[in-house]
Amino acid sequence: DTEVTQTPKHLVMGMTNKKSLKCEQHMGHRAMYWYKQKAKKPPELMFVYSYEKLSINESVPSRFSPECPNSSLLNLHLHALQPEDSALYLCASSRDISGTTTGELFFGEGSRLTVL
Amino acid sequence: SQQGEEDPQALSIQEGENATMNCSYKTSINNLQWYRQNSGRGLVHLILIRSNEREKHSGRLRVTLDTSKKSSSLLITASRAADTASYFCATDVGAGGTSYGKLTFGQGTILTVHP
Repeated sequence: DTEVTQTPKHLVMGMTNKKSLKCEQHMGHRAMYWYKQKAKKPPELMFVYSYEKLSINESVPSRFSPECPNSSLLNLHLHALQPEDSALYLCASSRDISGTTTGELFFGEGSRLTVL
Repeated sequence: SQQGEEDPQALSIQEGENATMNCSYKTSINNLQWYRQNSGRGLVHLILIRSNEREKHSGRLRVTLDTSKKSSSLLITASRAADTASYFCATDVGAGGTSYGKLTFGQGTILTVHP
């Protein structure tokens, strides 16, 4: 069983809706990640939080807004999405980003998003 | 172009056979990791090999790393039907011993093991 929990597992939303994806881990990890994965493609990094601060934004459109309320929680706020944003959104955590190496990532099961 | 490119894209074998997947990358790395993903689910970490290591074993898995050729291979021995999944390599890119703080995934290999 994964120790990273993502909710909801499935989400269907219209292009004018506002919704949020949630991710929680209780492993004491201080780095958290959002990845986007389209069918038959590898995960693509969206955001990295290190010690609750946004450290990497891979030029993600502003209709995706990440938030890290505390070291255990990571949210992804969604607004005015497009059908091409439909994908599996994966949250992951790792012990830390020490500056010298990025270690093992622990992934959640993902939230499958469909934008109509 | 992708940091990590894998071949083959798809591999189909019989139970008991060995499966070998290859990964090539373009830039300097701190480490290279392999992950498995069952259909439509989260990724599971398999093994991490550091840039100063050449080979690593974990159970039925054997990973090699050749930094001069910028390539890695994952060998799964005595495969089982339960090994059916997508396998991705991921590189921790960095320079001078410092990580850029992110993993970049290769295109993946779809492995099918027939009972």
